[in-house]
Amino acid sequence: NAGVMQNPRHLVRRRGQEARLRCSPMKGHSHVYWYRQLPEEGLKFMVYLQKENIIDESGMPKERFSAEFPKEGPSILRIQQVVRGDSAAYFCASSAGARTEAFFGQGTRLTVV
Amino acid sequence: GESVGLHLPTLSVQEGDNSIINCAYSNSASDYFIWYKQESGKGPQFIIDIRSNMDKRQGQRVTVLLNKTVKHLSLQIAATQPGDSAVYFCAEKGDSNYQLIWGAGTKLIIKP
Repeated sequence: NAGVMQNPRHLVRRRGQEARLRCSPMKGHSHVYWYRQLPEEGLKFMVYLQKENIIDESGMPKERFSAEFPKEGPSILRIQQVVRGDSAAYFCASSAGARTEAFFGQGTRLTVV
Repeated sequence: GESVGLHLPTLSVQEGDNSIINCAYSNSASDYFIWYKQESGKGPQFIIDIRSNMDKRQGQRVTVLLNKTVKHLSLQIAATQPGDSAVYFCAEKGDSNYQLIWGAGTKLIIKP
């Protein structure tokens, strides 16, 4: 049973470009969470999704950021018109239920140049 | 806002000794706590969890203690090994939400 898969592992974008981060949850998991981490800091919640639904996006900026978890395929975190301040590690986690153990992927490290 | 914090940013321990990593939380409504281990360049790895109806829970070489009176959580690692070197985070969930609230982390350094 493969773990949570994120790709790409590293992503470099120029300012103003779009970044698309993908997350495939563990088999059987229908709950996906996205977190952002700056160096030497803890993770900050961004968004929580279940299949085809955004349950809580309170941690995600209103502008430029969007997330989806379609019926088929991975969850996508999209950042439009990236700025240098978007540079961070973005982690995805999945769980079988809202209040069960969440497993994390290896993260996507976004660098905006 | 509510937050989870750690007392020590870095902890150095002799190989073979026991490690104790502490965490304070401020949301009295939190009822589920998790310890994660994060190695450099990797995602957080689940270590152990505990619910608020328990005071202690043991795993393999690890023990989590929860003191709800003073809102304190600790992770004890027995017979620390070089592979235990990592940053350790405590995280909490409240009874009304599902998002994890994370502390800043404690870096555990194992001295040979």
